[in-house]
Amino acid sequence: SAVISQKPSRDICQRGTSLTIQCQVDSQVTMMFWYRQQPGQSLTLIATANQGSEATYESGFVIDKFPISRPNLTFSTLTVSNMSPEDSSIYLCSGGAGDNEQFFGPGTRLTVL
Amino acid sequence: KQEVTQIPAALSVPEGENLVLNCSFTDSAIYNLQWFRQDPGKGLTSLLLIQSSQREQTSGRLNASLDKSSGRSTLYIAASQPGDSATYLCAVTGDYKLSFGAGTTVTVRA
Repeated sequence: SAVISQKPSRDICQRGTSLTIQCQVDSQVTMMFWYRQQPGQSLTLIATANQGSEATYESGFVIDKFPISRPNLTFSTLTVSNMSPEDSSIYLCSGGAGDNEQFFGPGTRLTVL
Repeated sequence: KQEVTQIPAALSVPEGENLVLNCSFTDSAIYNLQWFRQDPGKGLTSLLLIQSSQREQTSGRLNASLDKSSGRSTLYIAASQPGDSATYLCAVTGDYKLSFGAGTTVTVRA
């Protein structure tokens, strides 16, 4: 299994600012993903974080709004840019080996005023 | 596009009763299915992983079955306890990505 940590655990931000969320895995994983969970909703995949190359975004999510880095097999960041109140959500990262078990971080609870 | 449905959306039972949570999916071409638990405002805890070639998995009081051909999985929790109160999510892996259901929120009354 993999243990995943995220920083920060929560934040309150002003409209128009940006926040970078860090995700650290305690072992090398092939795949890392970023999800958003809006209040009362299930998880929606934002993008697949690819090591050493650009992330692969799902429909409705763009790199300018959610730039992602993945410099190695244990670390990734997600930036939420030019935030608005609609970006208030829990953001979660996960890691695993492709079609094997996925493990999730504790999430980052973001509130945008 | 894979659609995952969980029924019921919410469930309230007295302590000691067995829980039955259902999950269905539209595309049977999956690699595996995972059941997760989520406590309010928290991340996801993996409960069980069933590979596409398997019919069931067990862990303690939890048992999950998978019928890939009919696109269904069931999570059974025996002898429920108040600590089992949480939202339970099922997710299927296809093309290396997870597709989630909306979850079943379980309340176990003491």
